[in-house]
Amino acid sequence: DQQVKQNSPSLSVQEGRISILNCDYTNSMFDYFLWYKKYPAEGPTFLISISSIKDKNEDGRFTVFLNKSAKHLSLHIVPSQPGDSAVYFCAATSYSGGGADGLTFGKGTHLIIQP
Amino acid sequence: NAGVTQTPKFRVLKTGQSMTLLCAQDMNHEYMYWYRQDPGMGLRLIHYSVGEGTTAKGEVPDGYNVSRLKKQNFLLGLESAAPSQTSVYFCASSPRGHGNQPQHFGDGTRLSIL
Repeated sequence: DQQVKQNSPSLSVQEGRISILNCDYTNSMFDYFLWYKKYPAEGPTFLISISSIKDKNEDGRFTVFLNKSAKHLSLHIVPSQPGDSAVYFCAATSYSGGGADGLTFGKGTHLIIQP
Repeated sequence: NAGVTQTPKFRVLKTGQSMTLLCAQDMNHEYMYWYRQDPGMGLRLIHYSVGEGTTAKGEVPDGYNVSRLKKQNFLLGLESAAPSQTSVYFCASSPRGHGNQPQHFGDGTRLSIL
């Protein structure tokens, strides 16, 4: 029973264009969502997050949108650059437990930026 | 700028052998976590700790034990390794408190059980 789903295993985007990565969740208790980026042989690196009280959070080229009614979030990267090629994980957690709970991850989307 | 350091980086074990994976963080974080990642899967939580001397079970705790004797270290033990425990293991830490506190990850330990 996957609580966080990333239905696209891979995504290919041309350099300079917008990359849109999608994530769906099923657990209504999740109230904090994160995106991590992972290169081969390295650990995941935190990219951007959003609290359930917001519907948008922006940081430079990265914007995360949250649609609570649809239990859906998306990560937009504009413009896409070659260094953005990596696996992107969507993760979620509930802060009702005091902030100590671990993260629930999706399976990841491999983003490939083509020149 | 060490952050979260995991040792060893690679290890090959035979079925039935035991070993301990070490995670050390220098950010004075209260919370620490162990995850495993299998091919085509996201990371899954094995055990976690909310402070020195405390541990708790995550999603996939069977076959593993943990200890947090010092705040900066979180140990993951395999008492009798099984091929199903072949995986990449990631340690993470985060500071205490409510609000948005992302977890910081180490670079992983690749473990193969033959």
